[in-house]
Amino acid sequence: RKEVEQDPGPFNVPEGATVAFNCTYSNSASQSFFWYRQDCRKEPKLLMSVYSSGNEDGRFTAQLNRASQYISLLIRDSKLSDSATYLCVVLRYGNKLVFGAGTILRVKS
Amino acid sequence: GAGVSQSPSNKVTEKGKDVELRCDPISGHTALYWYRQSLGQGLEFLIYFQGNSAPDKSGLPSDRFSAERTGGSVSTLTIQRTQQEDSAVYLCASSFAGGDGYTFGSGTRLTVV
Repeated sequence: RKEVEQDPGPFNVPEGATVAFNCTYSNSASQSFFWYRQDCRKEPKLLMSVYSSGNEDGRFTAQLNRASQYISLLIRDSKLSDSATYLCVVLRYGNKLVFGAGTILRVKS
Repeated sequence: GAGVSQSPSNKVTEKGKDVELRCDPISGHTALYWYRQSLGQGLEFLIYFQGNSAPDKSGLPSDRFSAERTGGSVSTLTIQRTQQEDSAVYLCASSFAGGDGYTFGSGTRLTVV
C-alpha cells in the first residue's frame, strides 16, 4: 500500500462544475499537508496548505481529517485553466515530503 | 534569487557517461530535496538536505547516484555511468521551514541515449 493514495482519475467535468478530490495517508506521524498542482511537463507548484480547521482560497477549499487520515480538495466553479494534475503531499516527521501519484482534472467547455 | 534555479534545463548524454545536475535554492532556504519524475509517473524521492544535518539518502536508487550541498546552498546531483533508465526529469525543491511548503525548480530533463 502506498503511503499517500489518490484516485488517479481522470475527472472530466464541464466548466462551472464543482469537483472534489480525496487523498488518504497511512503514516499517522505526518506533520503537514499540502495540495500541489502540476501542469503537463512543468514542475509542481504549491496550491495550498491544508489545516485541520479547513481553509479556503477563492474557489479552492481544503480539509484535513487527522482521525481518518484523509485530505480533500474542493474546486468550485471550475475553469478551463484548472485542468492539471493535483498532487496530495504529506510532510512526514523528519521533514520528508511524500507525494501521491496525482489526480488528473480535465475541465471542458 | 527569486526562485529555485536548476541547470542545465536539458541534458542529453551517452550511456555510460557521468552527469552533474545543479540546483540553486532560494536564498536562505535551509531544506533542499531532489526528486525525479519519469514520463507519466509520480515524483520519486531521491535525497534530502536540512541545514548542517547528515542528508537523508534513503531514496537514491543505486550507488551510481550521489549528491552534495556546499555551504548549505548550492546542491549538485551526480549520476555516474548513466543508464537509459536514468532518463527522467530531475526536480529540486527548497524550503525555509518545511511546514510552509516547498518551491520547485523547473527541473533538468535528462535523456540517456
